[in-house]
Parts: sequence; structure tokens; C-alpha cells
Amino acid sequence: SQTIHQWPATLVQPVGSPLSLECTVEGTSNPNLYWYRQAAGRGLQLLFYSVGIGQISSEVPQNLSASRPQDRQFILSSKKLLLSDSGFYLCAWSAVITGELFFGEGSRLTVL
Amino acid sequence: KQEVTQIPAALSVPEGENLVLNCSFTDSAIYNLQWFRQDPGKGLTSLLLIQSSQREQTSGRLNASLDKSSGRSTLYIAASQPGDSATYLCAVPSGGGADGLTFGKGTHLIIQP
Repeated sequence: SQTIHQWPATLVQPVGSPLSLECTVEGTSNPNLYWYRQAAGRGLQLLFYSVGIGQISSEVPQNLSASRPQDRQFILSSKKLLLSDSGFYLCAWSAVITGELFFGEGSRLTVL
Repeated sequence: KQEVTQIPAALSVPEGENLVLNCSFTDSAIYNLQWFRQDPGKGLTSLLLIQSSQREQTSGRLNASLDKSSGRSTLYIAASQPGDSATYLCAVPSGGGADGLTFGKGTHLIIQP
């Protein structure tokens, strides 16, 4: 069966520091991969998606970036965090045939 | 641009009641609709996926229906239990291809024991 792992689960970082959130998927090949952000009191916002290694599409201009160095690995990064980057970050993968979306457990980022 | 609205935003009912959560979307040209559950501080758990060719899907005490022409979906929860307390979100494809889902803001459900 397929599983998705996301880490770290919790992160507290100062403004201006770098960020790296990692996500891996097991049990499937060539998944579509996604990064969403869920801010307090707001809905889920799609940040990036990827249909293959090295292929990244950005939905929202920001100081975040994403990379997909391997088929089942998706990384969210920032060189310098802003206060507004605080939120709950969720990685997800979708089954190509059905389009069903599956989420990881999330990473809660607090920027101070 | 696809927009998804969920009503009500919050709901509190006593245990044992049957209840209906509503979801509406603006662009009816969707190929599926998905219902999720989110517990506090956790990721989203997929509950039901309805393909556009289907009118409903059932899983245990949950039943989801889809009316594409009217841009509506409902999630029916039978014989509610305190463990059903969570936020329920519906989502539809944002557009064509692999560009993810557009989510409603969810219905926060509390089942009183």
C-alpha cells in the first residue's frame, strides 16, 4: 500500500533563517506531488505541484521554492523565512488514474 | 476560477443524529469530487471520492452524493458518534491536468456525547 511521510512535524524558526521541509512517498511510481499551506482561519492554498522529476509548477509567487530530486521525493525550501510564512504545510500525492489525493501528516512552521 | 463553498461553517449536534454537510462549486466541468476529514493539528484523510460519472459513494456510515449540473455535493453521516467530531472538507479539481484541488473552508463538526 502507499504511504506518505513528511518531516519535520514541528518547526520553530527565526525570521531570515532557511527552511527545508521534506516529503517522500512509498508504494507508487511517478506520482503527482503537491505542497499546500493551511494558514489559521483560511483554506488550503496550493503552493507547488510536480508531475515528474525536476518539473515544478508554482501557483503562488512567494519566497518559497520546491524541488523534486527523485521520483518520490518533494522538498519545500526557503532561503530567508518571513513572519507570513508561518502555517501548516501539507504534502500530498495523487493517483494518476483516479485523481484521488492523499495527504501527509503535515509540518507546522512557526516563524518568530 | 473554481470556487468551493461549504455550509454550514460549524455544526454541533447530539450523538446519534443523522446529519448533512453541504458543498457547492462554481465550475461544473469537474471529473471528480473528494471529501476529506481533518482532525485538529493533523493532515487530511480522504473519506470518499466520487467520479463525475457517479451520483453517490458510500463508506460505512458515510454517503456522499454529487449533482454536477447544479454544482452541489452532500455528505450524509448516519448515526453520528463523538469520534466523528472533526472538520470536513470537500474539494474539486482546480482545472485540467495535475494542478491540484480547490478546497472549501470546511465544516467544523462537533458531536456531543
